[in-house]
Amino acid sequence: SAVISQKPSRDICQRGTSLTIQCQVDSQVTMMFWYRQQPGQSLTLIATANQGSEATYESGFVIDKFPISRPNLTFSTLTVSNMSPEDSSIYLCSVEPLAGSSYEQYFGPGTRLTVT
Amino acid sequence: ENQVEHSPHFLGPQQGDVASMSCTYSVSRFNNLQWYRQNTGMGPKHLLSMYSAGYEKQKGRLNATLLKNGSSLYITAVQPEDSATYFCAVDFSGTYKYIFGTGTRLKVLA
Repeated sequence: SAVISQKPSRDICQRGTSLTIQCQVDSQVTMMFWYRQQPGQSLTLIATANQGSEATYESGFVIDKFPISRPNLTFSTLTVSNMSPEDSSIYLCSVEPLAGSSYEQYFGPGTRLTVT
Repeated sequence: ENQVEHSPHFLGPQQGDVASMSCTYSVSRFNNLQWYRQNTGMGPKHLLSMYSAGYEKQKGRLNATLLKNGSSLYITAVQPEDSATYFCAVDFSGTYKYIFGTGTRLKVLA
């Protein structure tokens, strides 16, 4: 199994500022994913972060708002830029299935963001 | 538009009962379906993987069936520690991109 940590675990930020969320995995993985989960809602995929290439964003999410870095095979960051209260959510990273793991994705514990 | 719906939204069985929940999906392309559970304040944890209509999977007290456009999950002899939100997620791309439903919130009454 993969162990994923995220920093910070939670934060309260003022509107107009930016927050960078870190995701660290204890093994090398090719694909990492960033999801958003609004309170009491389902998870929505923001983007796929592959090492060595630009992140691929899903419909409704853009690089200027959610820039992503993927400097190596165990680490990624997601920045939430120019925040507004609508960005208040839990942000989760996950990693691709490990070889032979039947499509099981591993998720980090999430970063709970509140924008005031 | 790809979407996944859950039924019911909330389930409150007594301890020892069977909890039954399901999800239906409408996606442009189906690759596989996953069941996850999520406890408050934590990330989702994988439960079961499903691949094609008619597929059944059992794991401990969990039993799931994949139907043509949905899946059913049964938890037998539910315990208070089973209380969580249960999601199904469908891979609509073949590249590990999943669409999640809104989930079924299970609260087991002792």
